[in-house]
Amino acid sequence: AQSVAQPEDQVNVAEGNPLTVKCTYSVSGNPYLFWYVQYPNRGLQFLLKYITGDNLVKGSYGFEAEFNKSQTSFHLKKPSALVSDSALYFCAVRDYGNNRLAFGKGNQVVVIP
Amino acid sequence: DAGVTQSPTHLIKTRGQHVTLRCSPISGHKSVSWYQQVLGQGPQFIFQYYEKEERGRGNFPDRFSARQFPNYSSELNVNALLLGDSALYLCASSSYRTGGDTQYFGPGTRLTVL
Repeated sequence: AQSVAQPEDQVNVAEGNPLTVKCTYSVSGNPYLFWYVQYPNRGLQFLLKYITGDNLVKGSYGFEAEFNKSQTSFHLKKPSALVSDSALYFCAVRDYGNNRLAFGKGNQVVVIP
Repeated sequence: DAGVTQSPTHLIKTRGQHVTLRCSPISGHKSVSWYQQVLGQGPQFIFQYYEKEERGRGNFPDRFSARQFPNYSSELNVNALLLGDSALYLCASSSYRTGGDTQYFGPGTRLTVL
């Protein structure tokens, strides 16, 4: 069964500093990996995905993520965090031929002015 | 283009009642998936419908059912509501059934069971 682990409950970072949100995954085949962001009382907003190809994926709002097959990780990064990046971030995985996303428990990101 | 829409936004029911939640996918998308997000947790997969047929079901009881209409909109039905059914119900649409296709989520329906 596919699964995702997001080991940290909350990530605190000062505005302007680099932001990293960690994610590791488990699938039986080749993974399709996604990051979503959720603001209070809102649905999930797609940020980026890894399907195949370059291990560094660039997405919306200056976010990027690095796929590492040997470490089964897909960490989300942003070079310079903004206060408006404060939100709940979810990593999700789907394996080939599967029709469902498996989500992690989410990471609350707090960007301190 | 309009995104995924869901109705109603909020809903309050009492135990034992029945509820119907509605979802309209992005124009051109044929796949609709439903997820349940309990407070403090990530979304959990409930159903996927593609071309009006059920293509996947998560680990939810038979009280949960869904269907997809010819215009690709979808309904999620929950019977005999329990307190534990209180959650944010999310609908997601995508072009295809599997693979690396991106699922786009609606704003959700907040269900409170008293």
